[in-house]
Amino acid sequence: NAGVTQTPKFRVLKTGQSMTLLCAQDMNHEYMYWYRQDPGMGLRLIHYSVGEGTTAKGEVPDGYNVSRLKKQNFLLGLESAAPSQTSVYFCASSYRPTGGYNEQFFGPGTRLTVL
Amino acid sequence: DAKTTQPPSMDCAEGRAANLPCNHSTISGNEYVYWYRQIHSQGPQYIIHGLKNNETNEMASLIITEDRKSSTLILPHATLRDTAVYYCIVRSTGTASKLTFGTGTRLQVTL
Repeated sequence: NAGVTQTPKFRVLKTGQSMTLLCAQDMNHEYMYWYRQDPGMGLRLIHYSVGEGTTAKGEVPDGYNVSRLKKQNFLLGLESAAPSQTSVYFCASSYRPTGGYNEQFFGPGTRLTVL
Repeated sequence: DAKTTQPPSMDCAEGRAANLPCNHSTISGNEYVYWYRQIHSQGPQYIIHGLKNNETNEMASLIITEDRKSSTLILPHATLRDTAVYYCIVRSTGTASKLTFGTGTRLQVTL
């Protein structure tokens, strides 16, 4: 199993350009998440999805859109990139949390620079 | 979810036990304590979680105080590969509950 994969690994954008980050998982997980991590900071949740066709806002959703058309894929879109969106983006997935258990499996990250 | 407080950095000699503390004095009854770690710039990795009993798995042990206001993650025999940032997270039960990462403790394991 590949686990959680992210495409691309690196990207440089100019201000105002758009792009889509792709996250794929092969573990049949119901839940998927997008986080961003700025230098010296912890991860912050952007958006998440509890199942195919559903999405919800996290802690820092502004400037991003997401889609979950297939259970195994979760897309993160930047319609008009801004320098403040320069960050490392991590995707994660998990089974539906039961009781106290919610182990999330993370991808390797996408390093995005917006000039 | 309750906030957590961790020391920004710690050192540990290889082969020794690494004891990483976490304060979560405002934790409520239905909130679990989770530990994740992030090695270099990789995605975080789940280590362990617990509610009120001590827990142990192949990676680490989690000791939670009786009043649940603090906990300690123990790596029994730290190796150089355990050098990472360790995050203590408090999360409530429920399917809508999410993980909130703080800045963690940077553990440096040295020879």
